[in-house]
Parts: sequence; C-alpha cells; structure tokens
Amino acid sequence: DIVMTQSPATLSVSPGESATLSCRASQSVHSNLAWFQQKPGQAPRLLIHASSTRATGVPARFSGSGSGTEFTLTISSLQSEDFAVYYCQQYNNWPPGTFGQGTKVEIK
Amino acid sequence: EVQLVESGGGLVKPGGSLRLSCEASGFSFSRYSMNWVRQAPGRGLEWVSSINHSGSYIFYADSVKGRFTISRDNAKNSLYLEMNSLRAEDTAIYYCVRDNGLEYAYGLFDYWGQGNLVTVSS
Repeated sequence: DIVMTQSPATLSVSPGESATLSCRASQSVHSNLAWFQQKPGQAPRLLIHASSTRATGVPARFSGSGSGTEFTLTISSLQSEDFAVYYCQQYNNWPPGTFGQGTKVEIK
Repeated sequence: EVQLVESGGGLVKPGGSLRLSCEASGFSFSRYSMNWVRQAPGRGLEWVSSINHSGSYIFYADSVKGRFTISRDNAKNSLYLEMNSLRAEDTAIYYCVRDNGLEYAYGLFDYWGQGNLVTVSS
C-alpha cells in the first residue's frame, strides 16, 4: 500500500497568517490526492480533490498544489474556523485509499 | 442537501457482532458507490470497505476481510456493515461515506455521515 506522510504534525499559526501543510506519497499518485478538514467532534469534510480542485462551498483561501509524490495545502489568512486537523488521502491506488496521519493547525 | 445518518453502534464484547446502518437522503443513492471509513479514538482515518452502486463490486481492508460484510438496499436508500468476530482494535467511530464514483468506487470520499461509535470491550 502507498504510505502518505504529512508534515509537520502540528503547526502553530496566528489568525490572519498563512499556513502551508505538506503531504508526501511513497510512490507517485499522479494528481489523485484529496485534502480533508476535521474539527473536534465532527466528521471530516472534503476540501480539495484532484490535488488542486476545491470542493463545493470551500473558500478560496484554501488552495492545493502538487503532483506525483509531493503535495501542499495552503491556507491563506487563517480564520478562527480554520483551526482543525487536516488529512491528505491518495485515491490513485484504490483500494485502499490511504490517508496521512494528519496535521493539526493550532492557534499560536 | 446530502445527508448520511448512521445508527447501530454501541458497546459489544470481543468476539461479538454488530450491524451498522446508514440512511441516505438528498441524492440519488442508487447511482453512487458507498464506503465505510473508521477512526480509532484519537487516531487517524482508515478506509474499511466499499460497495458500488449495484453491489456487484465490493472491497474490504485486509484488517476486516472475512469478518465484516458490506451491503446496501437501494429501495431503502440504506447502507449496512455487518461486523462479526469483533476485536478491541475495531473500536472506532465508523463513518458512512459517499464515493464520488458512480458505476465503480474509486476512493474519492465527498460526503460523510456524522459517525457512529463502536466500542469493543469486555
């Protein structure tokens, strides 16, 4: 199975600043990568698919990039509601669709 | 609005069985592939099983193969997960998840239910 590795494990950011989250695949997943946001006590929510396509209703401050094995999620001008855990997931080699271990974005 | 509502979770002893249900609304359930994804307490996400729109293609994670059975009833807009021979390591929140794929699941999880906790403990 493809292993997805996210970094950093925790990111401390002040409101209004930007955050850059990384996700690396153990082998190429082309652009078949999604990002999810999970707030405490809630289900994950799809933010980005196909590496850079925002899901319906996702604000433009969320942007994704990358292909192959290296991917980035950028959140510009962090809002209070953006502090959460973010997961990347590959769906190129399916099944299984493997997830990263998550990056927690916390208030600095 | 897409809604997925799980039920059937709870406390069960090791070796026991449980059946999860998921009732879907707000979309044409019979056209979409569906999945179960789980999350152990304080841990990450793990895909468990998928079923295509007609039930003709079914897949399982190695960790549950032979113990869990996924099924669906399109007439009732419902998805099920029959879990047997439960182990402590099956303790998790189980999410019902829609797949963006139609005829076949391809692992893009676009809508999630609120989750249902299954606890396996003596």
